[in-house]
Amino acid sequence: RKEVEQDPGPFNVPEGATVAFNCTYSNSASQSFFWYRQDCRKEPKLLMSVYSSGNEDGRFTAQLNRASQYISLLIRDSKLSDSATYLCVVMIGGYSTLTFGKGTMLLVSP
Amino acid sequence: ETGVTQSPTHLIKTRGQQVTLRCSSQSGHNTVSWYQQALGQGPQFIFQYYREEENGRGNFPPRFSGLQFPNYSSELNVNALELDDSALYLCAIRGGASTEAFFGQGTRLTVV
Repeated sequence: RKEVEQDPGPFNVPEGATVAFNCTYSNSASQSFFWYRQDCRKEPKLLMSVYSSGNEDGRFTAQLNRASQYISLLIRDSKLSDSATYLCVVMIGGYSTLTFGKGTMLLVSP
Repeated sequence: ETGVTQSPTHLIKTRGQQVTLRCSSQSGHNTVSWYQQALGQGPQFIFQYYREEENGRGNFPPRFSGLQFPNYSSELNVNALELDDSALYLCAIRGGASTEAFFGQGTRLTVV
């Protein structure tokens, strides 16, 4: 079983739609959780951290369910510029190394 | 932007050759990690250095090795290149108590 699993997509949505991505992780000792965004042929960039209490940043909302080992990302009012791959990332272990999922591709169309 | 610079940006090598990739960052970022990202995959953790010592390693063979220097720059060395080593190689830096990782733009390695 992969340490971090995501649906690779692609998710094709029209502008203005709401879209949700899910991610599961296998290591119950995971300490911190993130969503990164990666544009085509570019480096990953931090989108937001994920907390058990949930957190929101504008149109983006992230949730963590430790009991189910499940992370989600909700994007409201999708923009063309949201088209990218969204990487679910888990920090594991005393040395705080990052483990990435395969990524979920989002394509927002006019 | 992130202060992380990788060189070269693109590289073509022949199977069996050796390659050295470089990463430089602003001072204060004392943790550097290297990742391999094959096409259509997420980044895979290779190893991590903290204050010039390797303190974490992923599932990569010993022909993948690295160094971190006192000025926080780092190298990734790969010996006996194989076709499957073709990928985007990313370095990421973190500093102090921050857990946010900043990535360089990557080196795209093609092994032919």
